[in-house]
Amino acid sequence: GAVVSQHPSRVICKSGTSVKIECRSLDFQATTMFWYRQFPKQSLMLMATSNEGSKATYEQGVEKDKFLINHASLTLSTLTVTSAHPEDSSFYICSLKGGRETQYFGPGTRLLVL
Amino acid sequence: AQSVTQLGSHVSVSEGALVLLRCNYSSSVPPYLFWYVQYPNQGLQLLLKYTTGATLVKGINGFEAEFKKSETSFHLTKPSAHMSDAAEYFCAVSGSFNKFYFGSGTKLNVKP
Repeated sequence: GAVVSQHPSRVICKSGTSVKIECRSLDFQATTMFWYRQFPKQSLMLMATSNEGSKATYEQGVEKDKFLINHASLTLSTLTVTSAHPEDSSFYICSLKGGRETQYFGPGTRLLVL
Repeated sequence: AQSVTQLGSHVSVSEGALVLLRCNYSSSVPPYLFWYVQYPNQGLQLLLKYTTGATLVKGINGFEAEFKKSETSFHLTKPSAHMSDAAEYFCAVSGSFNKFYFGSGTKLNVKP
């Protein structure tokens, strides 16, 4: 299967700052990537679908101006959490679409906003 | 619409005992179903998946799951638990536009 990396693996930032998380496909060209958020002791919740060369599609209740997604190439999607607040602290996981029957998940990024 | 329900947020078994993790789904299209395992602070690893064909699906590490359409279930089993199986397990269904919908997860504890 495809190998997906995320950078950074964990980040701590001050409230009000912006944080960028990168999701890279190392060996697979991904026209579509997904971003999930996982709060402690909870399941993964789909935030948005990232399409290469076009605007991301956000799930209901996810603020697109707060969670900026850029999918500029077939191997890179970025999620920027703008003006982060403590309630944005979470585990962010990306995945890339390998078809309806497959998604390849990254290792996740732990964000802590102080 | 698609959704997944996992009964039991925590399951505890003894080493060597049967593991049974329950998953029920709802899907407006023929479902593709998945089980993933997550170790602390890590991403998801695919255990097994059902797409079409044989309803009993075998995965890695001795896990298997059976798709039962009449019961809308996809329970995960392993005949004999190992200490290394302790982790959190997520059932997921794939719907339209390749979106995955996850259950709330079941944390498996294996007692020596």
